[in-house]
Amino acid sequence: AQTVTQSQPEMSVQEAETVTLSCTYDTSESDYYLFWYKQPPSRQMILVIRQEAYKQQNATENRFSVNFQKAAKSFSLKISDSQLGDAAMYFCAYLMNRDDKIIFGKGTRLHILP
Amino acid sequence: KAGVTQTPRYLIKTRGQQVTLSCSPISGHRSVSWYQQTPGQGLQFLFEYFSETQRNKGNFPGRFSGRQFSNSRSEMNVSTLELGDSALYLCASSLALTYEQYFGPGTRLTVT
Repeated sequence: AQTVTQSQPEMSVQEAETVTLSCTYDTSESDYYLFWYKQPPSRQMILVIRQEAYKQQNATENRFSVNFQKAAKSFSLKISDSQLGDAAMYFCAYLMNRDDKIIFGKGTRLHILP
Repeated sequence: KAGVTQTPRYLIKTRGQQVTLSCSPISGHRSVSWYQQTPGQGLQFLFEYFSETQRNKGNFPGRFSGRQFSNSRSEMNVSTLELGDSALYLCASSLALTYEQYFGPGTRLTVT
């Protein structure tokens, strides 16, 4: 069965610094999608970044980028120039294209220190 | 564009009762997914509807069911409520699961 593991339940980073959230997943499929979602306190979950497994190039969205290592089944999220508004719970998610069942990791709560 | 709306936002029920939650997706989105979020289990996929058909289902008992109407609005029903069903139920809509999902604010269900 596919699993998604986020090994860091909580992390803290100083404002303006860079932080990396880790995510590993287990799958025997070759075609799938990976996502990072952000859930700010008492606010709606929003997509941060999306990666298609067949694309070797790492996805980036402004200050957010991923390090996608398909062979290692690793999908880490790097946040550069951290801002107070980045404080949230971050979820890594895996979608197996063929099965279309989304699996989320347990999440990493990120604190931004002013 | 209006976002995903969920009603009600808060609900308190007693064990054994049933509950129906509603989700209105973003206009044009035909995929609606439901998730259960709890502190212990995290975010778990319940099911996904696309054009009124349930395409995928997570590992939940048959007490959890849903449906989607022709206007893409979706309802989720939980029968014979148990204490463990207390959770935040999130709905998300998208053009398809492989694309960005837009989440609603959730319905906080408390079972006493």
